Amino acid sequence: ETGVTQTPRHLVMGMTNKKSLKCEQHLGHNAMYWYKQSAKKPLELMFVYSLEERVENNSVPSRFSPECPNSSHLFLHLHTLQPEDSALYLCASSQGTSGRSEQFFGPGTRLTVL
Amino acid sequence: GQNIDQPTEMTATEGAIVQINCTYQTSGFNGLFWYQQHAGEAPTFLSYNVLDGLEEKGRFSSFLSRSKGYSYLLLKELQMKDSASYLCAVLLISSGSARQLTFGSGTQLTVLP
Repeated sequence: ETGVTQTPRHLVMGMTNKKSLKCEQHLGHNAMYWYKQSAKKPLELMFVYSLEERVENNSVPSRFSPECPNSSHLFLHLHTLQPEDSALYLCASSQGTSGRSEQFFGPGTRLTVL
Repeated sequence: GQNIDQPTEMTATEGAIVQINCTYQTSGFNGLFWYQQHAGEAPTFLSYNVLDGLEEKGRFSSFLSRSKGYSYLLLKELQMKDSASYLCAVLLISSGSARQLTFGSGTQLTVLP
């Protein structure tokens, strides 16, 4: 495996379900990110994990819970979601401390909440 | 708040040149990225500007004016495969290893034969 991988690629869940999205980066990077991409809306940064800190967007509801057990793996735990949470969830990673450090994105998980 | 504006859609002809503009008003600035995203795929990095001026990379060039809060992406010799969404993103904070990007809504470019 190379780059950034995400599983599952597609997920359909009911509002009472609990599920988790998984992201793994094989690039040796030291920061990982979760983004939400809804139709016709900007990519929205949800969470950032790096060596020094965890950063979260205060507008993200508590029904989304991230977990980063090590620098290569990132999870997004989902519970009691709402239909408006249906979106593409993208994971990304980056390396280094220069501003030039680009983020590499995974293919995303297409989530549908019924 | 953060505000990044870019046109929603653009159409151009194969072989032509197209310029996609991006204006921003943000609380911080540590550089501006352009990403390309084909339908159903992950965004991929195109360019990064932090100083004023033009950065050229093959058929793609990116320009930045920090004083005007303005950038553009220039695509030359358009090909059908260039049909995609182009995302403008401002790097707000550059501290430690974390990079906090704020994105525009993207410009959907359609290249016609």
